Amino acid sequence: GENVEQHPSTLSVQEGDSAVIKCTYSDSASNYFPWYKQELGKRPQLIIDIRSNVGEKKDQRIAVTLNKTAKHFSLHITETQPEDSAVYFCAASLGTSYDKVIFGPGTSLSVIP
Amino acid sequence: DSGVTQTPKHLITATGQRVTLRCSPRSGDLSVYWYQQSLDQGLQFLIQYYNGEERAKGNILERFSAQQFPDLHSELNLSSLELGDSALYFCASSPRGSGAHYNEQFFGPGTRLTVL
Repeated sequence: GENVEQHPSTLSVQEGDSAVIKCTYSDSASNYFPWYKQELGKRPQLIIDIRSNVGEKKDQRIAVTLNKTAKHFSLHITETQPEDSAVYFCAASLGTSYDKVIFGPGTSLSVIP
Repeated sequence: DSGVTQTPKHLITATGQRVTLRCSPRSGDLSVYWYQQSLDQGLQFLIQYYNGEERAKGNILERFSAQQFPDLHSELNLSSLELGDSALYFCASSPRGSGAHYNEQFFGPGTRLTVL
């Protein structure tokens, strides 16, 4: 079946440093790639997404890049802050069923003050 | 607040019992998804409904079932509960192919199920 892999599973960075999380997907027809952030005990919330017709998207300290040829996409967080500490999930749409996404296993990010 | 509501917030029950979790999607959203999140686990997709019909199935056990009603709210039924069913169950909703919210899933606050 279709699959989304995500690395690393845990990541610790010093406050102010950058953090990068990488994902790969298997369905070459995927065209939508959202990233969700889940703080401890709370619901996942969309933080940024990218569609297959663009290669990069930026929103303040967060950016996402997409390489459709290699079937991988990455989340970049710059100038990390303690409030960035959370679990981050990448996801990829399931081919033509564009309203279903497959989630990666998550990355637990810790930002050390 | 995402606009998705789930009840109850917490549920404690015993093994062998049956429970029903309820989800009301955002106004206008036609798709409802159910996910299971066990301790330190990712989001395991269970099932999706679109406008009352089952659209996709994930790793949903036979002991679990769901439905979406004409008013678009959804219920997830868990029966013959086992200790391993203890988890956070999320419902999410999404619109269908409309502008900036294309594909985005809006998650509810979750129902924490504890099976003793």
